[in-house]
Amino acid sequence: GIQVEQSPPDLILQEGANSTLRCNFSDSVNNLQWFHQNPWGQLINLFYIPSGTKQNGRLSATTVATERYSLLYISSSQTTDSGVYFCAVEGNQFYFGTGTSLTVIP
Amino acid sequence: IAGITQAPTSQILAAGRRMTLRCTQDMRHNAMYWYRQDLGLGLRLIHYSNTAGTTGKGEVPDGYSVSRANTDDFPLTLASAVPSQTSVYFCASSAQPQGADTQYFGPGTRLTVL
Repeated sequence: GIQVEQSPPDLILQEGANSTLRCNFSDSVNNLQWFHQNPWGQLINLFYIPSGTKQNGRLSATTVATERYSLLYISSSQTTDSGVYFCAVEGNQFYFGTGTSLTVIP
Repeated sequence: IAGITQAPTSQILAAGRRMTLRCTQDMRHNAMYWYRQDLGLGLRLIHYSNTAGTTGKGEVPDGYSVSRANTDDFPLTLASAVPSQTSVYFCASSAQPQGADTQYFGPGTRLTVL
């Protein structure tokens, strides 16, 4: 299967700070998605981004498929951004990374 | 619109027992998926269905079976539960299969096998 590596594994931010989360994958993929799992366990899709750049409010994502990585940018972080961020790629099936656990402190 | 519902919310099960986790979506999505989430391992795909009447094996299918008799329902059955199947199980759906569309997740079922 495709190996998906996310970094950093853990991140603690002061409210208002910016951050960049990275997702590297080991093979060509058909698409890539970013998810946020909140502290209550709910999984929410953030971006469907097989290539290029997308923005949604304070979040943006860039995927460079030819170089096999994607970046998720969080600007002006808020406490509600806390949780685990997962990258998932699709080859013959979906493969998830092990996530970046983000804690935003007030 | 409820989206995706899963039942039960949580369950404690004796090893060797049979258990079916239920998943229903009301979005008329073609594709549905079952994942398990374990600490340190992220989410791993168990089984999927690209459309009603078809199913396929994911990364960790052993010990699980699924069926897709209609568009809305995608039950996951553990024929004889073992402690290593203790996990949080998520059902998901997408309008189009093969990752060509956004996946939407249910709230999860926390299963403990003793």
